[in-house]
Amino acid sequence: DGGITQSPKYLFRKEGQNVTLSCEQNLNHDAMYWYRQDPGQGLRLIYYSQIVNDFQKGDIAEGYSVSREKKESFPLTVTSAQKNPTAFYLCASSISSGRRTYNEQFFGPGTRLTVL
Amino acid sequence: AQSVAQPEDQVNVAEGNPLTVKCTYSVSGNPYLFWYVQYPNRGLQFLLKYITGDNLVKGSYGFEAEFNKSQTSFHLKKPSALVSDSALYFCAVRAPTSGTYKYIFGTGTRLKVLA
Repeated sequence: DGGITQSPKYLFRKEGQNVTLSCEQNLNHDAMYWYRQDPGQGLRLIYYSQIVNDFQKGDIAEGYSVSREKKESFPLTVTSAQKNPTAFYLCASSISSGRRTYNEQFFGPGTRLTVL
Repeated sequence: AQSVAQPEDQVNVAEGNPLTVKCTYSVSGNPYLFWYVQYPNRGLQFLLKYITGDNLVKGSYGFEAEFNKSQTSFHLKKPSALVSDSALYFCAVRAPTSGTYKYIFGTGTRLKVLA
């Protein structure tokens, strides 16, 4: 899983609660990403960040929020507005995400979120 | 719109036999193509990528993939499968001239190698 850590490994959320998933990397990568993985649907992009203090919505950003105050950290908050948050969440990073970048992504070990 | 298709949800192969996991793509311009592997409850691990040049790309753990521009395919192959190769495999594409910074992933193919 490279130099990316995610915590916690398992997370349980009650209805109406906000929860924050941690993602930290020590690879000195500029770009970081959050994906949601559901069975049979592959990976869907939630948010991505190309540089500190900047981030963009992905394909399924509703009900989620992020921040990028440090290069190493890209936490994801799952808000109560996300109606079906039970899924496996993956954080990734790459050296950069410039238009012609062909670098592969490095993935963390994932956080499995379950709504009670 | 960019897309990646992995037409098989599951591939079964006997240990020692060659394996192929299929991937086709649809992008505008020249693609950057990637294969990743995922073991249960783990993150994805990078296997190999095609950027330009030789159509046959060699990667980790004895895997290779062949880029075919006319068929818009990037199939993953291994000459002799191991039981330990059993995992979920993802194909991904990036099209730098399409104006997007995203990596597009297929839905994954589960490989089962039978002893």
